[in-house]
Amino acid sequence: EPEVTQTPSHQVTQMGQEVILRCVPISNHLYFYWYRQILGQKVEFLVSFYNNEISEKSEIFDDQFSVERPDGSNFTLKIRSTKLEDSAMYFCASSEAEGSEQYFGPGTRLTVT
Amino acid sequence: QKEVEQNSGPLSVPEGAIASLNCTYSDRGSQSFFWYRQYSGKSPELIMSIYSNGDKEDGRFTAQLNKASQYVSLLIRDSQPSDSATYLCAVSGSNYQLIWGAGTKLIIKP
Repeated sequence: EPEVTQTPSHQVTQMGQEVILRCVPISNHLYFYWYRQILGQKVEFLVSFYNNEISEKSEIFDDQFSVERPDGSNFTLKIRSTKLEDSAMYFCASSEAEGSEQYFGPGTRLTVT
Repeated sequence: QKEVEQNSGPLSVPEGAIASLNCTYSDRGSQSFFWYRQYSGKSPELIMSIYSNGDKEDGRFTAQLNKASQYVSLLIRDSQPSDSATYLCAVSGSNYQLIWGAGTKLIIKP
């Protein structure tokens, strides 16, 4: 069964450093998403991406964040200068169509020290 | 502010019984409704989607949607200990952005 994959599973970084989280969406899906979940809190939408551009972004997704589809399979989230409060689980998801079921990857646990 | 509300629980249900999970949402323009299951430390796993009023059944799971009351529910029949998890309600509106509830923790007692 096709699945979304994410690497790394755990990333530890120092405050102020740049991190890139990687995702491989399901191959026939056209819409890609990033979410985050701070420990013990709700899942929060960050950004959606379609046809090589951002379609929606939340208030959380400020200038420190960027997304890219560098090739035909990968979808990345970059945080330019990490803050302590960026520590969270980051989930990538993909869907076939807008508004259809979104399937999640296993997540990357980001720890900023 | 668009919101999705769920009772945080925990909801304790005996094995073999029916578990009933509820969710309300604030945005009347919401179009798509999803239930996800999340085990501790894991990612959300899609259980059910529902797009129109009424019931939708898939195996032991039934999703119910009432747009007039802005209410969506999930019934789990013949509950098993492996159903113990946090159940997340997610709702998308006209911009297809998913808004999430905080989740209901379900405990199935053997």
